[in-house]
Amino acid sequence: EPEVTQTPSHQVTQMGQEVILRCVPISNHLYFYWYRQILGQKVEFLVSFYNNEISEKSEIFDDQFSVERPDGSNFTLKIRSTKLEDSAMYFCASRKTGLDYGYTFGSGTRLTVV
Amino acid sequence: AQSVTQLGSHVSVSEGALVLLRCNYSSSVPPYLFWYVQYPNQGLQLLLKYTSAATLVKGINGFEAEFKKSETSFHLTKPSAHMSDAAEYFCAVSDRTDKLIFGTGTRLQVFP
Repeated sequence: EPEVTQTPSHQVTQMGQEVILRCVPISNHLYFYWYRQILGQKVEFLVSFYNNEISEKSEIFDDQFSVERPDGSNFTLKIRSTKLEDSAMYFCASRKTGLDYGYTFGSGTRLTVV
Repeated sequence: AQSVTQLGSHVSVSEGALVLLRCNYSSSVPPYLFWYVQYPNQGLQLLLKYTSAATLVKGINGFEAEFKKSETSFHLTKPSAHMSDAAEYFCAVSDRTDKLIFGTGTRLQVFP
């Protein structure tokens, strides 16, 4: 069964450093997302991406965040200057056309900012 | 604004017992509703979804959920719990915009 692949599975970074989280969505999916889950809290929407541009973003997704689809397969989330409160599990997701399909989520990247 | 409430952050059942995980939603439009499961150190796996077809939805691993508009509920059930069902379960709603709103999750423990 097709999967959404995320790398790395765990990343530790120092506060103030830039990190790039990588995702390979399912090949025939057109809509891409990042969600995050702070430890012990609910999963929160960050951003959606379609047709090479952001279609919606949450208030969490401020200027330190950016997303990119640099080629036909990868989808990245960049955090420019990490803060302690950015420590979380970050999930990438993708879906086909049609909201009734539901999303396919990756297994996540656990980001730890020290 | 849409929202999801999951009653009970922890639910414990004995193996073989009925599993009932509660989810209530609010949405200004007919919603799409989803249940996801998260096993330890893994991602979110879709269990089942309601997208305005049959109100009783069957999912994977023997789970099912019933959409009740009058009660704004979408509770998840399984007739007989198995040890392997121990996980975190998330209910989510979409108001047909491009994002999911998740509940806070319910951790299911299954005792032998």
